[in-house]
Parts: sequence; C-alpha cells; structure tokens
Amino acid sequence: GAVVSQHPSRVICKSGTSVKIECRSLDFQATTMFWYRQFPKQSLMLMATSNEGSKATYEQGVEKDKFLINHASLTLSTLTVTSAHPEDSSFYICSATSGLNSYEQYFGPGTRLTVT
Amino acid sequence: DQQVKQNSPSLSVQEGRISILNCDYTNSMFDYFLWYKKYPAEGPTFLISISSIKDKNEDGRFTVFLNKSAKHLSLHIVPSQPGDSAVYFCAASGDDYKLSFGAGTTVTVRA
Repeated sequence: GAVVSQHPSRVICKSGTSVKIECRSLDFQATTMFWYRQFPKQSLMLMATSNEGSKATYEQGVEKDKFLINHASLTLSTLTVTSAHPEDSSFYICSATSGLNSYEQYFGPGTRLTVT
Repeated sequence: DQQVKQNSPSLSVQEGRISILNCDYTNSMFDYFLWYKKYPAEGPTFLISISSIKDKNEDGRFTVFLNKSAKHLSLHIVPSQPGDSAVYFCAASGDDYKLSFGAGTTVTVRA
C-alpha cells in the first residue's frame, strides 16, 4: 500500500517552454501532497505544500508564479515549471500523506528535468 | 539554514557488521524524526521513525536512538547486508508536519 507515482520520470525541454509533472497516489487518498527539489548530492528541499482544493503554500524563496501547483483531487497533484531555464534542471520529487496530522510521507520516484 | 545535519557524507561497512548513521538537529521544536532510504533516480522510502517521547525504536535490523538533550539521533543497522547500500536521509518534523531533511549519508556495504 501507499504507492505514489510520478509522470514523466524524465523530461528534456527547451529553455522558455513549460513542463508539467504529475504526482498520483495510487491506492490511497492524499489529503496533502508535498513537492521537493533535490540538487546533486544535496538534501531534499521542500518547495511547497498542497492540500486538495486549496492553494498551495510555498516555502520562502520559491517563486509561486514559476512553479505552479494544482491539487485538483485527492489522488492527483501537478507541478508546472513555467518558462523553464537551465537553472531549473533538477530532480523533482513529490510525496503524499494518507491522513490528517500524519508525519509519514510516501514519496514518488521523482522526475528528472533537464532544460537545454 | 540547515536545521538537520548529517555530517558524514559516506560510510563503508563490511557485510554482517553494524552500520551506524548519525544525525544532528538544531530546531528544538522538532518532535518527530524519520529515516529514509534512497536509491539513485528513485524517491526515498520510509525506514523507521521515532517520536520525541521515546529514546529508542526498533524494527527488525533497524534501530533508531534519540538523545533529545544532545539533539542527536542515530540509526543502527545490524547486521548490514549488501542490499542496504544506498543513501540514507534523516528527516525531522514539528507540528506543521513538514519534513526537513539532512544531506544524506551514502552507505556502502562490502561483501
């Protein structure tokens, strides 16, 4: 149980284009989903928290107009990187919690974004 | 400002021996701690956790120890197996349920 999927697993796009990454909880309803970014050999950095049906809460320093998050249902959240630039190249990982007041997050396999 | 620190970037241990991974934190509001295991190009998988009201939690080969006064926790893996070779992340959370991660420790188990 508690499986989270991400699509695509890898994407290469040209500078200036937008990319959408999907995060799905496959066997549970995710009240809250989180989006992280990981640079090589570094920690996972929380970008934003999204609750179904409400606006995402972004961490300090994360541009909400650049990283658009939509949590339209209890099983799907999307992250859209708008007008991507090479510095946006990174490993993006989502996670989901299966209940309220839950510390334990279940992570997706991640999406490797490369902007050329 | 890194609130969770894993000061050892790597650890090499012989198969069958004990692996000890360390983690320090600075935020006294953290009250729940987790360890995750991660393979390259995959998301982290949950290993074991501990609440601040406990000082030890054990699950099979994995034991986590918490020293609140020192703001320190450790993960013990015994006996270590080749499949344990991965990156291990320490994470901490407060009442907002957000996770703060350490930078990770790469464990290599030698046959």
